[in-house]
Amino acid sequence: DAGITQSPRYKITETGRQVTLMCHQTWSHSYMFWYRQDLGHGLRLIYYSAAADITDKGEVPDGYVVSRSKTENFPLTLESATRSQTSVYFCASLDPSGGSSYEQYFGPGTRLTVT
Amino acid sequence: LAKTTQPISMDSYEGQEVNITCSHNNIATNDYITWYQQFPSQGPRFIIQGYKTKVTNEVASLFIPADRKSSTLSLPRVSLSDTAVYYCLVGDKNNDMRFGAGTRLTVKP
Repeated sequence: DAGITQSPRYKITETGRQVTLMCHQTWSHSYMFWYRQDLGHGLRLIYYSAAADITDKGEVPDGYVVSRSKTENFPLTLESATRSQTSVYFCASLDPSGGSSYEQYFGPGTRLTVT
Repeated sequence: LAKTTQPISMDSYEGQEVNITCSHNNIATNDYITWYQQFPSQGPRFIIQGYKTKVTNEVASLFIPADRKSSTLSLPRVSLSDTAVYYCLVGDKNNDMRFGAGTRLTVKP
């Protein structure tokens, strides 16, 4: 499928478990982002990546790990999940050479519940 | 990093023009201003971007004064389907781009 996809769409896990959220885009956009959105709140940037093998921390990186070995994939790992990480996670990509060079394309989101 | 401030909510009626203002006093020279729309249970969707003066596309206009410390998203003739949360985003691709808290727009019949 063309576009940006996230998996799983829903996940329930227990405190202390490691969880990996997947993000895949088919456009070869160089930039990718991970956000979390807590119920009733705005989006907060966790990590972003300007290209494969280049990642940077965002506003709320603690407790998360990212990697980007391939341009199209940007997995987000919660090393030891906590209840405070219960949230909806959005992945996004951006093509800086596009007509709207700041247009981020968002995935459908992953709803994560940590019990 | 530029922090943004928006009204929490706004109400309007179908057919009216809606203007949503975002304050970003600490905007940096390289920062762009981008607006997104988000419906419940969906990811945000890009509306418009700008650096200065006025930008217009098929769905909205963006007004940015000379000092760039604020910006106004203008939605002409809103409909019920424009009910959503609107976010102002300020930043540079090579830095931390942060969403504001968003403005919840409710369009009434």
